[in-house]
Amino acid sequence: QLVLTQSPSASASLGASVKLTCTLSSGHSSYAIAWHQQQPEKGPRYLMKLNSDGSHSKGDGIPDRFSGSSSGAERYLTISSLQSEDEADYYCQTWGTGINWVFGGGTKLTVL
Amino acid sequence: EMQLLESGGDLVQPGGSLRLSCAASGFTFSNYAMSWVRQAPGKGLEWVSTIIGSGGSTYYADSVKGRFTISRDNSKNTLYLQMNSLRAEDTAIYYCAKVDGSGSYWDYWGQGTLVPVSS
Repeated sequence: QLVLTQSPSASASLGASVKLTCTLSSGHSSYAIAWHQQQPEKGPRYLMKLNSDGSHSKGDGIPDRFSGSSSGAERYLTISSLQSEDEADYYCQTWGTGINWVFGGGTKLTVL
Repeated sequence: EMQLLESGGDLVQPGGSLRLSCAASGFTFSNYAMSWVRQAPGKGLEWVSTIIGSGGSTYYADSVKGRFTISRDNSKNTLYLQMNSLRAEDTAIYYCAKVDGSGSYWDYWGQGTLVPVSS
């Protein structure tokens, strides 16, 4: 079964960097994912598509501070030079056979 | 500028019906699949339904299959979600989202419309 696992919460200081993790279930380590950001009281915003080789393509207007990388079944979102507006929920998402779109549970990022 | 604007959310009683709309602009609407994704209060995102650009094929999550119907009017650049036999667990913000060209992920989202289901 295709499942994405995310830590429920993360925190980092203003101006620092943070690396969020999304783990693909067994047997799905070659899958690409997408990262989405949801700021408080707003709709989600597409950040990037991230392939298993670490290559990624970002959405319109996404700052260079956001980058992605991969290792095995893990997909990472790194945010550098953290700003207050980066405080948000971050969701990973993938797609499987049989027309099946799946979300991770989301990580709530707190900027200290 | 690409824009998706949902409307139609309202308080509805269990067992009732509601139709949501999503007005799209800033891209060639008929070229892209579109989806509805929902978020229950305090919960994560859940895919609900997707329709291809021509409207010829539709897909549903098991949780809504047989109760919800997705459709589109490409002449009006508008996406719809007809929701019947609503349950308390359907209470959520419903987001309209554009599927990217590969059909894999959503690259643009609306701001959502709230559907509370309660007596």
